[in-house]
Amino acid sequence: AQSVAQPEDQVNVAEGNPLTVKCTYSVSGNPYLFWYVQYPNRGLQFLLKYITGDNLVKGSYGFEAEFNKSQTSFHLKKPSALVSDSALYFCAVSPGAGKSTFGDGTTLTVKP
Amino acid sequence: DAGVIQSPRHEVTEMGQEVTLRCKPISGHNSLFWYRQTMMRGLELLIYFNNNVPIDDSGMPEDRFSAKMPNASFSTLKIQPSEPRDSAVYFCASTPPDSLGHTQYFGPGTRLTVL
Repeated sequence: AQSVAQPEDQVNVAEGNPLTVKCTYSVSGNPYLFWYVQYPNRGLQFLLKYITGDNLVKGSYGFEAEFNKSQTSFHLKKPSALVSDSALYFCAVSPGAGKSTFGDGTTLTVKP
Repeated sequence: DAGVIQSPRHEVTEMGQEVTLRCKPISGHNSLFWYRQTMMRGLELLIYFNNNVPIDDSGMPEDRFSAKMPNASFSTLKIQPSEPRDSAVYFCASTPPDSLGHTQYFGPGTRLTVL
């Protein structure tokens, strides 16, 4: 069975500072890993995914994520946070076909 | 591309009434997922279809919930009878036939309130 853990319910950063939202996973075989963002009263939006290849994946809105196989982690990062990045972020893992398993979500708050 | 379309966006009903939520996936996508989101339980997968066939309905809470996908462009999630604990935001998502990972495209959701 696959699982995802987002150890932090909430992350607070100041605008302009770097941000990290953590995710660890468990899956049999090679994982497909995703980050999604949800703004208030909206559906989830795809940010980026790791399938294979370079461990550093770049996505929308300046976000990137680093795949670390030995630590089974896929942390989301951004060099300089914006107030508009404040939202709920979900990590997800898929075995490659069919359904994905989502984490519980991390609320990111960026303060001016 | 219009994206995944869900209707209605908001539904308020009374306990015991039948509720039908609708979803139109993105054209060309061959998998469709129904999720429920609440503060207490987070995002829960209820059921998913592949090529209009239900593949996994293990997340459906109980027999009061049913889902259908009569064709590639339409799906319904029905609750009968509805209960206050069914109040949640229900999302539909679809994925393209991509063998290199299955990015999910979510609709805007239906906010259901059962009084």
